[in-house]
Amino acid sequence: SFMLTQPPSVSVAPGQTARITCGGNEGTNTVRWYQQRPGQAPLLVVYDNRDRRSGIPDRFSGSNSGNTATLTISRVEAGDEADYYCQVWDSSRDHAVFGGGTKLTVL
Amino acid sequence: QVQLVQSGAEVKKPGSSVKISCKASGATFSSYTLSWVRQAPGQGLEWMGRIIPIFGVENYAQKFQGRVTITADESTNTAYMELSGLKSDDTAVYYCTRTDSWDFDYWGQGTLVTVSS
Repeated sequence: SFMLTQPPSVSVAPGQTARITCGGNEGTNTVRWYQQRPGQAPLLVVYDNRDRRSGIPDRFSGSNSGNTATLTISRVEAGDEADYYCQVWDSSRDHAVFGGGTKLTVL
Repeated sequence: QVQLVQSGAEVKKPGSSVKISCKASGATFSSYTLSWVRQAPGQGLEWMGRIIPIFGVENYAQKFQGRVTITADESTNTAYMELSGLKSDDTAVYYCTRTDSWDFDYWGQGTLVTVSS
């Protein structure tokens, strides 16, 4: 079955760049990224691999090589500390698939 | 602005069922898809299924087939998710989310369902 793999955790100092990867066992088609702060619902931050949702700072960017998608957060701030999830739509089964999530810690 | 407001927390016994509501406002309800996603304590997001109200079509993740039913009432702009045969590992926060072009762009606040004897 289709699976997305993310690193469980990424740590970065304030002002540095964080990169969170998402690998698909059947490739990575169109990827979305969600940010989830503790106690809150997820928030769509990037869609169509690289398009930022309105209101999301341009420090957030996405890319996709076809097998691995990456969410890059530049000039990381304390407020970026959250769990981040990638997601694709498995068109063969007409199902959504989420990665396991990555906890971003700002040191 | 789309808003999704879910019903309140529930405590259920093993083997029972739970039905959660999700009332939408700010957009034409029937023109988009609504999905349900759950999150067990300390765990990741898990897609359960979706409904396309305008077509009355729903589909479900294989894991939940036969246990979950998603419905929609266009007259009240409300979607429902009913999960039967509850087990302790169904304890989770359940979210409804609008699905636009396969993006989950608006989310409800979440409903905690606790399954305990």
